Amino acid sequence: DIQMTQSPSSLSASVGDRVTITCQASQDIAHHLNWYQQKPGKAPKLLIYDASKLEPGVPSKFSGSGSGTDFTFTISSLQAEDVATYYCEQYDNLGTFGGGTKVEIK
Amino acid sequence: EVQLVQSGAEVKKPGESLKISCQGSGYSFTNYWIGWVRQMPGKGLEWMGIIYPGDSNPKYSPSFQGQVTISADKSISAAYLQWSSLKASDTAIYYCARRSGGANDFWGQGTLVTVSS
Repeated sequence: DIQMTQSPSSLSASVGDRVTITCQASQDIAHHLNWYQQKPGKAPKLLIYDASKLEPGVPSKFSGSGSGTDFTFTISSLQAEDVATYYCEQYDNLGTFGGGTKVEIK
Repeated sequence: EVQLVQSGAEVKKPGESLKISCQGSGYSFTNYWIGWVRQMPGKGLEWMGIIYPGDSNPKYSPSFQGQVTISADKSISAAYLQWSSLKASDTAIYYCARRSGGANDFWGQGTLVTVSS
């Protein structure tokens, strides 16, 4: 099965900072990657699908890029409401989530 | 409005069986895969498996194959996740989600399963 390595596992940044999270697949998954946001006590929310497409209604400060095995998720200007854990997910072969990145405000 | 409503929290003893549900509404239930995701206490998301209600054909992650059973009843727009013999390590929140084009675009509220003697 496909393994997803997400990094960092946690980060602390200041309001207004640009935040970047990476996800690496153990094999080529083309663009078959999604990004989710999960706030404490809530179900995950889809932000980015097909590696770079913004889910309708999601703010444009969130973006994704990459293909093959290496992917990046970016928050262009971190705000307090973005405090959450973010996960990547491959769907090239069934599904696998990355380990998650907990984002906090410094 | 698309909604997935899951059954309520459960407290069970080791060795007991359990079946939890996920009720879909607001869309054509038979035309979208439904997936199940586990989240153990304080941990990340784990992909368990998916089912296509149109033909009730489930697919499992190797980690969960043989550990759980995923099923669906298209006549009542419901999907299920069941265990024949629970273990303490099955304690977790379980989410169902609608899969559209590869992405889980709508999620249930989660069902907390607690297994304790």
